[in-house]
Amino acid sequence: QVQVVQSGAEVKQPGASVKVSCKASGYTFTAYAIHWVRQAPGQGLEWMGRITGDNGDTKYSQNFQGRVTITMDTSATTASMELSSLRSEDTAVYYCARDLIGQGYFDLWGRGTLVTVSS
Amino acid sequence: QLMLSQSPSASASLGASVKLTCTLSSGHSSYAIAWHQQQPEKGPRYLMKLNSDGSHIKGDGIPDRFSGSSSGAERYLTISSLQSEDEADYYCQTWDSVIQLFGGGTKLTVL
Repeated sequence: QVQVVQSGAEVKQPGASVKVSCKASGYTFTAYAIHWVRQAPGQGLEWMGRITGDNGDTKYSQNFQGRVTITMDTSATTASMELSSLRSEDTAVYYCARDLIGQGYFDLWGRGTLVTVSS
Repeated sequence: QLMLSQSPSASASLGASVKLTCTLSSGHSSYAIAWHQQQPEKGPRYLMKLNSDGSHIKGDGIPDRFSGSSSGAERYLTISSLQSEDEADYYCQTWDSVIQLFGGGTKLTVL
């Protein structure tokens, strides 16, 4: 079954970091990129960045530059997103999504991971 | 600057048709987009990729009731024979070599 499965919900204090993982299965991991998109409560979708499964090349949104790091473990077919210096405004559902390298659009989404930032 | 615009809301009656619009910014009328559906309390779901010539590639299992078309800088999603489960937020997405962008989404209410 083609799917991406995300790690569970997290609660973090302001100033901490969070790492969310996305395990891919049922398809050739190295043929796709994994993107990270977040959605704050009641808001729309915001792209954070991506990593390509073939060579690990990363691109980040300027809105998160310096705070987000996307990595991958090809042997585990897993991509991860770490967001640092958390603040309350980072409370959101974080989604991973795949796109065939060079294709551009997301054809498969994860179910999302709720990250709550609260003291 | 590459941008996408969507009306915040739309409504139509059960069994009727509705046409949602996503508008690309000036100078970007050749860009393809993708449509995604987000039902309440769920993650997004890929519906289709839509090219500037109106050709489209649908996701697996997407009913024939969902279709796409294009005119200039506008990209449309038409849903026919509306069902209650079509009540959702609909987002368009586009991309270039550097960035991915989403429209603000259209909340569709099925009356």
